[in-house]
Amino acid sequence: DTEVTQTPKHLVMGMTNKKSLKCEQHMGHRAMYWYKQKAKKPPELMFVYSYEKLSINESVPSRFSPECPNSSLLNLHLHALQPEDSALYLCASSPNPQGGSGNTIYFGEGSWLTVV
Amino acid sequence: AQSVTQPDIHITVSEGASLELRCNYSYGATPYLFWYVQSPGQGLQLLLKYFSGDTLVQGIKGFEAEFKRSQSSFNLRKPSVHWSDAAEYFCAVGLNFGNEKLTFGTGTRLTIIP
Repeated sequence: DTEVTQTPKHLVMGMTNKKSLKCEQHMGHRAMYWYKQKAKKPPELMFVYSYEKLSINESVPSRFSPECPNSSLLNLHLHALQPEDSALYLCASSPNPQGGSGNTIYFGEGSWLTVV
Repeated sequence: AQSVTQPDIHITVSEGASLELRCNYSYGATPYLFWYVQSPGQGLQLLLKYFSGDTLVQGIKGFEAEFKRSQSSFNLRKPSVHWSDAAEYFCAVGLNFGNEKLTFGTGTRLTIIP
């Protein structure tokens, strides 16, 4: 089973709202990721967690706040977003934060975010 | 810095015809190479991957890809496409810097006509 589950599938929020996106995997993977994908564009890496610790932040604005409560869960807290933040947010996981041969990144179905 | 190029933004193929999607990469060493497919409104599904060994890689849904080091290419092929293959296809390079970071190409949109 190579399943990464994301909730909610769709989210509409105002610019003053606080909301969260959730991601869960039960594959025992120790690396988890958030990607952002705008329409007709490839996914862009936002954050990487390795062994529940934030290891990469790709200069993401502070209105996006990631959290990894345990090895199976990854959250993305959203506050004071702008309309241009509307996008598909993809969660992903991979077995080994050290990378290497055989380390494949598996993606969830994504959460569609609309900021109004 | 590494980069991935997918020269074809949009390809239209008749159902039952063969398919080849092009992917070129730029990287100093042999990278890890992936093809992902994304149906409209969906996440990314892994089709196949290359790490080492046999340069012809078999994937799901009847797809295969061939790694050619001399051409820095990793083209995706399918001998006979089905209408359900209509989707966006992304080639990606994975680098091992202690954390895996995928660099994606810009994608190729595949349209299937009857």
